[in-house]
Amino acid sequence: EIVMTQSPATLSVSPGERATLSCRASQSVRSNLAWYQQTPGQAPRLLIYGASTRATGIPARFSGSGSGIEFTLTISSLQSEDFAVYYCQLYDNWPLTFGQGTKVEIK
Amino acid sequence: QVQLVQSGAEVKKPGASVKVSCKASGYTFTGYYMHWVRQAPGQGLEWMGWINPNSGGTNYAQKFQGRVTMTRDTSINTAYMELSRLRSDDTAMYYCARSGEQQLVQGYWGQGTLVTVSS
Repeated sequence: EIVMTQSPATLSVSPGERATLSCRASQSVRSNLAWYQQTPGQAPRLLIYGASTRATGIPARFSGSGSGIEFTLTISSLQSEDFAVYYCQLYDNWPLTFGQGTKVEIK
Repeated sequence: QVQLVQSGAEVKKPGASVKVSCKASGYTFTGYYMHWVRQAPGQGLEWMGWINPNSGGTNYAQKFQGRVTMTRDTSINTAYMELSRLRSDDTAMYYCARSGEQQLVQGYWGQGTLVTVSS
């Protein structure tokens, strides 16, 4: 089973600043990686799939990059609604594994 | 617009079974996989499996093999997830999630169903 490791566990950022989140796979998942955002008490929301393609309706300040084993989610200028937990997920193999999440909190 | 409406919260005793429903609207039900994902309190996301509503074919995470059954009723655009032999560590929020632009990506999510397992 492929293990997904996200870092850091918590990221403290001021509104308007840039946030960079990392996700590492224990073996290559090609570009079959998605990112989800979850705010408290809500269901997750798909942000990115195919490592770098924004899902429908996702603002341009969210961008994804990487392939193989190293991936990055960048939020260019944090808005108040972006403070949340972010999960990466592989879908290159079974089971479809999520990372443990990165919490982005207000600095 | 795509909507997934799940059934209400459940409280079950250890050893019992639970069946959660997910009613879909706003799209062609048979055109997209339906995934099930759970989240224990304060924990991360765990993928359980998917069902192809068109064929009824399923793919379950090995962890749940033998305990989970995913079915669908195309006449009422509803998917179901049944988990048997419940344990206390099955206490979680259970989400249905329709695939997005790619079948293995969870593009649209239901509101979640809280299942509590307690004696």
